[in-house]
Amino acid sequence: EADIYQTPRYLVIGTGKKITLECSQTMGHDKMYWYQQDPGMELHLIHYSYGVNSTEKGDLSSESTVSRIRTEHFPLTLESARPSHTSQYLCASTKGVSAEAFFGQGTRLTVV
Amino acid sequence: QKEVEQNSGPLSVPEGAIASLNCTYSDRVSQSFFWYRQYSGKSPELIMSIYSNGDKEDGRFTAQLNKASQYVSLLIRDSQPSDSATYLCAVKRLSEAGGSYIPTFGRGTSLIVHP
Repeated sequence: EADIYQTPRYLVIGTGKKITLECSQTMGHDKMYWYQQDPGMELHLIHYSYGVNSTEKGDLSSESTVSRIRTEHFPLTLESARPSHTSQYLCASTKGVSAEAFFGQGTRLTVV
Repeated sequence: QKEVEQNSGPLSVPEGAIASLNCTYSDRVSQSFFWYRQYSGKSPELIMSIYSNGDKEDGRFTAQLNKASQYVSLLIRDSQPSDSATYLCAVKRLSEAGGSYIPTFGRGTSLIVHP
C-alpha cells in the first residue's frame, strides 16, 4: 500500500476563497506530481517537482501554484477559487528514474 | 497526435472471457510502459510495468509490448465483474525542462465485465 496522503478528501468552498490542498508522502520519493481529473475524463498534469525547491508547470495551464520546501510535502494553492476549478486533484510520486507512480486518494474540490 | 492513445470504450466482455486492452504511443524512444487500473471515484493504481519486447505475465494479467509497432496491450484472463474499471496506459517521457522523466497517461479504456 502506497504511503501518500492527501487532505482534505472533499472540499466545498465559496468563490474567491484561497485554498491549499495538501499532499505528503513517506516513501522518500524525490519526484512529485499534481494531476487534475474531471469525472470520466483523462488525467492532466498541472505541476511537478524533481526535488526540493524545484517546481515546473505541467501540460495543462492552471491558475494554481505549488511549493516544495520539504521532500515529503507538495502542497497546491489556489489564491482565488472559481467554479471552473471544480474537479478532482490527484497527487502522485515517483522515485529516481522510475516512472512507476503512486497516487494519493485525491481531493474532490467543489467551488460554489 | 497525442503521446499515448487509447480507445475510450467501453469494452464489454462476459465474465470468464479474455479482455484485451490496447494502447499506442508516439515517442519511439520510450522505454518504460505501465498499466494502471482506476475504479470509479478512486485513484489510479499500478498493476503492471513492462520494459522489454514480448510478454510479461502476472496472475491473470499479461502485458505485451511491441516497440517496433509502438504498441502495448493488456490481457485480462478469466475476467471478473470486479475487473470492471478504467485501465490507463502510461509511458515514461522526458519532461519539457529536460531534467527528468515523468509518467504520461492515456485517457483510459473503460472495461465492463458482465455476469
